[in-house]
Amino acid sequence: DIQMTQSPSSLSASVGDRVTITCQASHDIGKYLNWYQQKPGEAPNLLIYDASNLETGVPSRFSGTGSGTDFTLAISSLQPEDIGTYHCQQYHDLPLTFGGGTKVEMK
Amino acid sequence: QVQLRESGPGLVKPSETLSLTCAVSGASIKTDNWSWIRQPAGKGLEWIGRLYSTGDTNYNPSLQSRLTMSVDTANNHFSLKLTSLTAADTAVYYCARDHIEGDYWYFDLWGRGTLVIVSS
Repeated sequence: DIQMTQSPSSLSASVGDRVTITCQASHDIGKYLNWYQQKPGEAPNLLIYDASNLETGVPSRFSGTGSGTDFTLAISSLQPEDIGTYHCQQYHDLPLTFGGGTKVEMK
Repeated sequence: QVQLRESGPGLVKPSETLSLTCAVSGASIKTDNWSWIRQPAGKGLEWIGRLYSTGDTNYNPSLQSRLTMSVDTANNHFSLKLTSLTAADTAVYYCARDHIEGDYWYFDLWGRGTLVIVSS
């Protein structure tokens, strides 16, 4: 299985801060990576697909970069509604696998 | 508007079989592909398996020996059966729609999830 390692596991930031989350794959997965946001008590929601494509309706402060084994999700200016847990997911190989999640909290 | 809704027993005894159903409304189950995903409390997501519109399946090898997924086109829902449950199977179980388009492959629609507790 391809292992996905996210860091940090949690972070605390202020409104307006730039936030970055990294995801590292144990094997080269090209650009076959998605990012999801999960707000407390809710199901995950797609943010970015194919490493860098913003899903329709997702605010432009979210962006994704990377390819191969190293990927980054950035929030350019953190907003209160962005609190939650962020998950990366690879779809290069089966079984599909997710990172352990990064919990984003507000200072 | 397409919606997914999971239903299941909530509490299951160890060694027993879990049966979950995902009801699809607003779309035909025959035209898309569907997955089950679970999340133990405070932990990450685990993909369980996929059911294609053709009826074919892909299962996570870690669960394959205990897992069966099936589709009921007459009632527009799909199901999961997981046997020989242990406490490690305690989790919120989600059903989701797989969006597959060329090289793109992602979960674009999720149910709200159903909590399953394995306990005597």
